Amino acid sequence: QTVVTQEPSFSVSPGGTVTLTCGLTSGSVSTDHYPSWYQQTPGQAPRTLIYTTDTRSSGVPDRFSGSILVNKAVLTITGAQAEDESDYYCMLYMGSGVWVFGGGTKVTVL
Amino acid sequence: EVQLVESGGALVQPGESLRLTCATSGLTFTRYSMTWVRQAPGKGLEWVSGISGSGGLTYYADSVKGRFTVSRDNSKNTLYLEMNSLRAEDTATYYCAKGVRSGNYPFDYWGQGTLVAVSS
Repeated sequence: QTVVTQEPSFSVSPGGTVTLTCGLTSGSVSTDHYPSWYQQTPGQAPRTLIYTTDTRSSGVPDRFSGSILVNKAVLTITGAQAEDESDYYCMLYMGSGVWVFGGGTKVTVL
Repeated sequence: EVQLVESGGALVQPGESLRLTCATSGLTFTRYSMTWVRQAPGKGLEWVSGISGSGGLTYYADSVKGRFTVSRDNSKNTLYLEMNSLRAEDTATYYCAKGVRSGNYPFDYWGQGTLVAVSS
């Protein structure tokens, strides 16, 4: 069974840049997986940041960007702010109407 | 403004049934696929089920296939999740989410969630 992989945690300094990745245990991520990214702070519902690889959801600051690099989907936060400290989840389309989330990355801004 | 409001969560015993409801407003409901996502306490997100804009196509995670049924009433702009034979591992906050389009696409708006607890 193919699993969606994410880094467990990342730390970034205020104003710094952090790149989170989303991969597969078997195979490469492509645009056909419609990669999407979600942000969640404790006790809150998820918020959509990016969908279909690189489309920012409504109201999302442009410091968040999505892309595919080599064989993984990537979320880049450029100029990290304190309020970006959250859990970040990627999700991939596996075909036949099935979506799978990665395990999430906890981002700390300090 | 798009709004999604879940309800129906409760404490139930193993083997019992429950129906969750997601009431929507601020959108042309039939134009969008809808999805249920859950999150067990302290755990990550898990996609549960999806349904096309017309309601004619439904999809399920293996973990709930055969026990859960997703449906929608386009006249009421409402999404449902019928959950049968509930297990302790179904304990989670259940979120409904709106697809960005009618087909198999990711989600852009989420509800605040409703808590389902399965325990004897």
